[in-house]
Amino acid sequence: EAQVTQNPRYLITVTGKKLTVTCSQNMNHEYMSWYRQDPGLGLRQIYYSMNVEVTDKGDVPEGYKVSRKEKRNFPLILESPSPNQTSLYFCASSFVSDNEQFFGPGTRLTVL
Amino acid sequence: GENVEQHPSTLSVQEGDSAVIKCTYSDSASNYFPWYKQELGKRPQLIIDIRSNVGEKKDQRIAVTLNKTAKHFSLHITETQPEDSAVYFCAAGGQNFVFGPGTRLSVLP
Repeated sequence: EAQVTQNPRYLITVTGKKLTVTCSQNMNHEYMSWYRQDPGLGLRQIYYSMNVEVTDKGDVPEGYKVSRKEKRNFPLILESPSPNQTSLYFCASSFVSDNEQFFGPGTRLTVL
Repeated sequence: GENVEQHPSTLSVQEGDSAVIKCTYSDSASNYFPWYKQELGKRPQLIIDIRSNVGEKKDQRIAVTLNKTAKHFSLHITETQPEDSAVYFCAAGGQNFVFGPGTRLSVLP
């Protein structure tokens, strides 16, 4: 089944404790992206990747890191999480950038 | 950078009526304009998209129009049904994407 998977789905952590949210797609998509969703603000792009080893900042990259070592995986790293990073995070992928993005199920992160 | 505005923020219509959601964007370099539907507790899903070289696109009850000169694009849903109730997001971009804040559509039976 063609899909985008994210893990974990739910995470409660404490300020400063490094964490990684994994994202994987099995559709051979070149483009992958991370978004955060907060009430009233819609979806805001954190980072995107046009292809392997090519990543770029979105609108809200501060406090986040990403890597794209393989085509299928695009992990989101929070080196020192803070409470303002409490949010719902979505990973998405598409064949190329200007094409339908398929979203993962979301990861609800709470930073205490 | 790109800025996308979306109106209205909430919209209630009677079943069978039409619904229109409007978005404006600021970056003339944007060339791809998708619309996503998000039902409560679920992930966003594409319902229709349009590219900058096209003025209008239709898919059954859903249509999108794009005015590049004015930098605005609109979603039109005809013959609305209760299952159309959801939050709708417009977006603009080409490599990076900026989404509007969303419109909560309620279709009343």
